[in-house]
Amino acid sequence: DAGITQSPRHKVTETGTPVTLRCHQTENHRYMYWYRQDPGHGLRLIHYSYGVKDTDKGEVSDGYSVSRSKTEDFLLTLESATSSQTSVYFCAISFWGSGANVLTFGAGSRLTVL
Amino acid sequence: QQQVKQSPQSLIVQKGGISIINCAYENTAFDYFPWYQQFPGKGPALLIAIRPDVSEKKEGRFTISFNKSAKQFSLHIMDSQPGDSATYFCAASDPAGNKLTFGGGTRVLVKP
Repeated sequence: DAGITQSPRHKVTETGTPVTLRCHQTENHRYMYWYRQDPGHGLRLIHYSYGVKDTDKGEVSDGYSVSRSKTEDFLLTLESATSSQTSVYFCAISFWGSGANVLTFGAGSRLTVL
Repeated sequence: QQQVKQSPQSLIVQKGGISIINCAYENTAFDYFPWYQQFPGKGPALLIAIRPDVSEKKEGRFTISFNKSAKQFSLHIMDSQPGDSATYFCAASDPAGNKLTFGGGTRVLVKP
């Protein structure tokens, strides 16, 4: 998965608990993204980062926060998990190739909120 | 509001047949249209992409057809193989190229 490591890969938690997902990259890419994947909805952008401490919201950012204190790490936090946040979360980096910004995804983190 | 609509949600095709997946978009500012392929338990991976200045792009058995006036594009998988069984996502990129908007996905099953 092109130097992208997501952790944990699987997590089960209870409603109301905080959860942090970590994305680590080894290739010093500037842009990093968090998407969630749900049946019928494809992949929806939660937040993205364009540099250390530079982040912006995506289309489904409510209930999520992110932080990027180092180039290689991008954290996604659910302050108080809800059942609607049960999903598979994908981190991605982008690089310029073939005349366009190409996304490369990690292997995903499956989160179940009971 | 779903800016990229994909159909069908699933399809079954016999080995050697043609798989066709369609996408429609709303934002005329989109200027880059990639397709991603995802196998179970894996992240999506770029398969093929097109820009609106061409009407067709072919890479091996995979072809994108693009209709700018209709705001539609499609993926054709020729001579479909069991190894093509996967979920396929179309996407569209804003002009800055920093964010992708994805369609809902199509699960393709190729029967031997």
